[in-house]
Amino acid sequence: QKEVEQDPGPLSVPEGAIVSLNCTYSNSAFQYFMWYRQYSRKGPELLMYTYSSGNKEDGRFTAQVDKSSKYISLFIRDSQPSDSATYLCAMILPSGGYQKVTFGIGTKLQVIP
Amino acid sequence: DTAVSQTPKYLVTQMGNDKSIKCEQNLGHDTMYWYKQDSKKFLKIMFSYNNKELIINETVPNRFSPKSPDKAHLNLHINSLELGDSAVYFCASSQGGTQYFGPGTRLLVL
Repeated sequence: QKEVEQDPGPLSVPEGAIVSLNCTYSNSAFQYFMWYRQYSRKGPELLMYTYSSGNKEDGRFTAQVDKSSKYISLFIRDSQPSDSATYLCAMILPSGGYQKVTFGIGTKLQVIP
Repeated sequence: DTAVSQTPKYLVTQMGNDKSIKCEQNLGHDTMYWYKQDSKKFLKIMFSYNNKELIINETVPNRFSPKSPDKAHLNLHINSLELGDSAVYFCASSQGGTQYFGPGTRLLVL
């Protein structure tokens, strides 16, 4: 079993829809949780960063963490064609005083005008 | 003002050659990384340096040798390139967990 599981999609939604992206993980030692967005032929860029269970909101984006279920989500409200990208979840495992990041495989999202 | 830059952007080479990729960050971060993203888009860590010291070395063939001349630079040298080395290689830097990625180097081995 992979440490971080993420459905690769692709996921196609109409413009304006609410998008739900999810990851599950197996290692309860993961402490910090992030979502990255990667446009085609670009490097990943950080969208959201959380460390506790619950919700964190930033504009149209909401990150949700449920540590008891080992499940994290990213919600995108009023999705726009410019949101079309691959979304990667990432988790940090403190390791010997340093922090090791494990990424999900990424979900490819297409928002159709 | 590019925070994390990599050169070259594209690299096409023959099997058996040796090549290097360079990375520089101007964010003042202590930690830098090399990641490999394969054709299935899976992003996997290869190495991590903290203040020029190697701290993470995943299961990577020893044909790959990172070098950090100072904490703002992390280079990756690859010997005897193989077809399976074709991928996008990303450099990243971090301070306290969140990572900032470079634009990637697309390596194609023929």
